[in-house]
Amino acid sequence: GAGVSQSPSNKVTEKGKDVELRCDPISGHTALYWYRQRLGQGLEFLIYFQGNSAPDKSGLPSDRFSAERTGESVSTLTIQRTQQEDSAVYLCASSSWRSGSSYEQYFGPGTRLTVT
Amino acid sequence: AQSVTQLDSQVPVFEEAPVELRCNYSSSVSVYLFWYVQYPNQGLQLLLKYLSGSTLVKGINGFEAEFNKSQTSFHLRKPSVHISDTAEYFCAVSPGGTYKYIFGTGTRLKVLA
Repeated sequence: GAGVSQSPSNKVTEKGKDVELRCDPISGHTALYWYRQRLGQGLEFLIYFQGNSAPDKSGLPSDRFSAERTGESVSTLTIQRTQQEDSAVYLCASSSWRSGSSYEQYFGPGTRLTVT
Repeated sequence: AQSVTQLDSQVPVFEEAPVELRCNYSSSVSVYLFWYVQYPNQGLQLLLKYLSGSTLVKGINGFEAEFNKSQTSFHLRKPSVHISDTAEYFCAVSPGGTYKYIFGTGTRLKVLA
């Protein structure tokens, strides 16, 4: 596609339920990132995928958070047993680290998660 | 450890006035530097970037930034702002051209009529 897409755009869920957020990166981008942005805050790194390498999960805040990516395509971020503090906008970004690329990250519009 | 500091959380400025948004970083290795803008309820959009070469970088919407290695800064400037520039601005650093991006906490620019 032309850009990074994320779905759903908004998600309201009850505390304790599981949610799954989806990210479609730009075609050909080998790197994919998930960030969390709480209201009025900066970007908090969650996880990074690069090709077939092991993902960098160092930013995941707890074992309730997990993410998967199939090859260089779609990624899903799963939050189990959601808590109110999980309420935030979850941003996905992709980039290309191939030689000659621009190295910038392209961001999706985000998924706004509200846990009630 | 690398870090990025955006000293001002909010900057109010009148329309057509100049503005400077400050960004300082700490890194023991060379870095790539980026400024992103986030309009309300939208994702982040790249304004400009410094990878190498000329330290003065020009971006979209009339913004520019200057890389100062000795002061480890990458301040963003615009000579004359518009109401439409009201947004959140994030500085980001990629140490050693690695995949890691470290974002500052953002500066909220509010342009007043």
